[in-house]
Amino acid sequence: DGGITQSPKYLFRKEGQNVTLSCEQNLNHDAMYWYRQDPGQGLRLIYYSQIVNDFQKGDIAEGYSVSREKKESFPLTVTSAQKNPTAFYLCASSIDNGGSTDTQYFGPGTRLTVL
Amino acid sequence: ILNVEQSPQSLHVQEGDSTNFTCSFPSSNFYALHWYRWETAKSPEALFVMTLNGDEKKKGRISATLNTKEGYSYLYIKGSQPEDSATYLCAPQDNYGQNFVFGPGTRLSVLP
Repeated sequence: DGGITQSPKYLFRKEGQNVTLSCEQNLNHDAMYWYRQDPGQGLRLIYYSQIVNDFQKGDIAEGYSVSREKKESFPLTVTSAQKNPTAFYLCASSIDNGGSTDTQYFGPGTRLTVL
Repeated sequence: ILNVEQSPQSLHVQEGDSTNFTCSFPSSNFYALHWYRWETAKSPEALFVMTLNGDEKKKGRISATLNTKEGYSYLYIKGSQPEDSATYLCAPQDNYGQNFVFGPGTRLSVLP
């Protein structure tokens, strides 16, 4: 089945540790995205990538880093510089991101709790 | 960054009731509007994408309208069922960027 997978579903880390969230898609989509959700707020864009080996900051990129070495993978690292990392993280992908209305398809999310 | 509002924040309806909720966004530089349904423990699922003023889209008992001049979209659910319980997100796009800006969502609970 085609889709987007995120692992793990729940993640606990101690304050000060970096942590990497996985996102894989087998939809052959060019564009991939990372969002963060906090209670009472809409999804906020962290980073996005339109093509392999290229990515752009979203609205709340501080304290996060990404890589896009393969088309199907877009891991997100939450660094110790992120002031409030506890949140629900969603990964998405779309066929293209070139000024189009392409639908974004979402993974199941990872809930990160920093203790 | 677009300022997107959705109202109400949450609502509870009885099975069989019809309901509607609103997404408001800046009307300037409008490009497209997306609606998503997000059920608990599942991934957000795309419902509609609309681009033209006056657009109406329908999927089963769910429909949506778009007014780009005044900057709003309505989502209607006719004869609500418990399986309609979800958070409904809207996400406008402006023509400065390709990315979506998601509203905070409307959480719908349909009581049997």
